Amino acid sequence: GAGVSQTPSNKVTEKGKYVELRCDPISGHTALYWYRQSLGQGPEFLIYFQGTGAADDSGLPNDRFFAVRPEGSVSTLKIQRTERGDSAVYLCASSLIPASDTQYFGPGTRLTVL
Amino acid sequence: QQQVKQSPQSLIVQKGGISIINCAYENTAFDYFPWYQQFPGKGPALLIAIRPDVSEKKEGRFTISFNKSAKQFSLHIMDSQPGDSATYFCAASISFGNEKLTFGTGTRLTIIP
Repeated sequence: GAGVSQTPSNKVTEKGKYVELRCDPISGHTALYWYRQSLGQGPEFLIYFQGTGAADDSGLPNDRFFAVRPEGSVSTLKIQRTERGDSAVYLCASSLIPASDTQYFGPGTRLTVL
Repeated sequence: QQQVKQSPQSLIVQKGGISIINCAYENTAFDYFPWYQQFPGKGPALLIAIRPDVSEKKEGRFTISFNKSAKQFSLHIMDSQPGDSATYFCAASISFGNEKLTFGTGTRLTIIP
């Protein structure tokens, strides 16, 4: 079956603009995660969804970042008033619950803020 | 606060040799320790994982060694091949919680002929 897909693969925007990044998890996976990976670093946790609800958003850096998953499948990460420091690869991962630790990652969206 | 420390940052190994990457963690609540492999332009892919109830796990050429008392774990790649050239990340999480992964900073492995 298909893996986790993310769109767009690349996004270039200007400072101050609004962007939306989309994640399609593996079908049937109820858990969905967003991570951010800066150049030369490991992924850093942003937010975790169990079904439709954000069960843990402790990794979101500030209130410019927001994510939704209205039907418990596709998720959108939204960034308002983008800053140059937001430039990174945004990774989405999904896993099958209950009690499954394997997270399957998508290819990521490379965000560049000019 | 970096909860998972990984070394070395980069590693060059000759084809057929053994590649060893080390990680140390701080949070004793961690109970799941995966290793991920990442190729340029791709997302991380699970390679092998271990839980603290065993000290070693082997899958093919890949072995995790785990030392609970020292809070350290390592990845050994036997008979390293050029196709193993990638960036490797160790990670840790707490099972049956939200299972968010805390990653190390990565090791860029290069296998030379």
